[in-house]
Amino acid sequence: SAVISQKPSRDICQRGTSLTIQCQVDSQVTMMFWYRQQPGQSLTLIATANQGSEATYESGFVIDKFPISRPNLTFSTLTVSNMSPEDSSIYLCSVREGGTGNQPQHFGDGTRLSIL
Amino acid sequence: SQKIEQNSEALNIQEGKTATLTCNYTNYSPAYLQWYRQDPGRGPVFLLLIRENEKEKRKERLKVTFDTTLKQSLFHITASQPADSATYLCALGGGTASKLTFGTGTRLQVTL
Repeated sequence: SAVISQKPSRDICQRGTSLTIQCQVDSQVTMMFWYRQQPGQSLTLIATANQGSEATYESGFVIDKFPISRPNLTFSTLTVSNMSPEDSSIYLCSVREGGTGNQPQHFGDGTRLSIL
Repeated sequence: SQKIEQNSEALNIQEGKTATLTCNYTNYSPAYLQWYRQDPGRGPVFLLLIRENEKEKRKERLKVTFDTTLKQSLFHITASQPADSATYLCALGGGTASKLTFGTGTRLQVTL
């Protein structure tokens, strides 16, 4: 299965700043996703990162706040912009090798983000 | 709206017993259901997938059932070991969106 590396693993940031999280996969994958997991909560899908085109955002998430890039089939970034304490969470990158949903997803270990 | 419910309280069982975790859903007709394991500080790890036309799936000590009438999946770990202690997440998917919707997870603690 695909091996996913996320950087940074954790960070403490000041209110109003932005942070870019990187996701590197060791093989080419069709689908890449970004999730948020708040303490004690479920994983919430932020967006699907599309290679060579704009990401597809879920309800409640917008491009201005969470810009995403996916320049190729092995790499994606998620930026958390103009951060506030409510953005404190774990952000997870996930990939799926096939285009259909009935296949396993693989996850990175996440980026633990704290906003002061 | 779609809702997935897993026991929010931790499940504590003794080593060697069978652990049974429940996933109930409403306002959803999933084509498949997946179970993941998540350890503290780590991302979820895929365990099993079961499709709507399958009643049961097994993998080593793991067994999953899927009852689309009851809108419920049961996840069993037989001969449980302390190493099985983790949070277990169910996730549902299907339709053209092909996206997974996750439950909040149940924490399993296996003691000696």
